[in-house]
Amino acid sequence: AQSVTQLDSHVSVSEGTPVLLRCNYSSSYSPSLFWYVQHPNKGLQLLLKYTSAATLVKGINGFEAEFKKSETSFHLTKPSAHMSDAAEYFCVVRINNAGNMLTFGGGTRLMVKP
Amino acid sequence: GAVVSQHPSRVICKSGTSVKIECRSLDFQATTMFWYRQFPKQSLMLMATSNEGSKATYEQGVEKDKFLINHASLTLSTLTVTSAHPEDSSFYICSARVGGGTYEQYFGPGTRLTVT
Repeated sequence: AQSVTQLDSHVSVSEGTPVLLRCNYSSSYSPSLFWYVQHPNKGLQLLLKYTSAATLVKGINGFEAEFKKSETSFHLTKPSAHMSDAAEYFCVVRINNAGNMLTFGGGTRLMVKP
Repeated sequence: GAVVSQHPSRVICKSGTSVKIECRSLDFQATTMFWYRQFPKQSLMLMATSNEGSKATYEQGVEKDKFLINHASLTLSTLTVTSAHPEDSSFYICSARVGGGTYEQYFGPGTRLTVT
């Protein structure tokens, strides 16, 4: 079985400073990994995904994430936070077998201070 | 492309009544649709998987007689919450997956259900 752990339930940064949202996964199979963002009372928007190609993945809005197999991590980063980045972020793993089900991390709420 | 809609976006109903939520794939055919539930300040939990033309597969702990799922066409799945109670109040999100070896899921905007 696979699982996803988002190490921080809340992260607070100042506008213009770097963002780091941590994610670790466990999987017996080759995973695909995703980061989604959810603004209040909204659905999920895909930020980026890793599907066994380049380990450094660039997404929308300046976000990127690096897949590190040795550390079973897929941390999300952004060099400079913007007020509009304040939202809930979910790390998601999909095991590439017949089921292809998604498993969600617990979420990290990012707060951006002016 | 790959847009999923949900209707309604918000619904308030009285305890004991039933509510139907629709999930539509607008520009693609979805062989599989998923229904998730999200409680406040929590992550998404998969409730059930529905395949077009067959019965839904429910996750452990989800009452299939309470949460009726119908996937009658390749672009529409419905979730009916029967005899709703206040504890059913939640944010319900659907997703749709294209078939043919592509496993990407596209999420709808969610439906906020409040049972009074």
